[in-house]
Amino acid sequence: NAGVMQNPRHLVRRRGQEARLRCSPMKGHSHVYWYRQLPEEGLKFMVYLQKENIIDESGMPKERFSAEFPKEGPSILRIQQVVRGDSAAYFCASSPRDLRDPYQETQYFGPGTRLLVL
Amino acid sequence: AQSVTQLGSHVSVSEGALVLLRCNYSSSVPPYLFWYVQYPNQGLQLLLKYTTGATLVKGINGFEAEFKKSETSFHLTKPSAHMSDAAEYFCAVSGGQAGTALIFGKGTTLSVSS
Repeated sequence: NAGVMQNPRHLVRRRGQEARLRCSPMKGHSHVYWYRQLPEEGLKFMVYLQKENIIDESGMPKERFSAEFPKEGPSILRIQQVVRGDSAAYFCASSPRDLRDPYQETQYFGPGTRLLVL
Repeated sequence: AQSVTQLGSHVSVSEGALVLLRCNYSSSVPPYLFWYVQYPNQGLQLLLKYTTGATLVKGINGFEAEFKKSETSFHLTKPSAHMSDAAEYFCAVSGGQAGTALIFGKGTTLSVSS
């Protein structure tokens, strides 16, 4: 069972450009979470999605950031008009959909996308 | 509201020595507690978790942690450090339901010297 996949692993953008980060959850998982890790800090929750639904976006910046998890394909975190302060590692995690699964509350993390804004 | 405090941003031990990484939490609901390890430029790997039941939890790579409700602590230990244990360790808490965001501590970097 392949783990959580994220691409690209590294992304360089100039200020004002758009960044698109992709996340494919583990097989059988329909809960996806995005976290951001700034230098010298722990991970901060951004958004929680299920297929075609945003469930909790309380950690998302109000502007320039958006996320989706379509019926088909990976989850996408989109950052428009990037600024230097967006430079960080962005991690995706997934968890199973079956509440009877003993691991349903456990989140499994991908390798992350390291975004550098020049 | 939930929060996690990891005491000590850096811990250094000698190979073969005891590893103790401290984590205290606050939670208004019965917490689920997790320890994750992150190697340089990699994602987070689950070491162990506490949900319910036995308060001493054993994880991978010889690590274990004990949930102490009275002390609101979930410290991570390993009897004998290996060089390969050098990494960053994160303690996290959640409200115990699927779909609940994890709240992370700031992390503790473990260094192991020979």
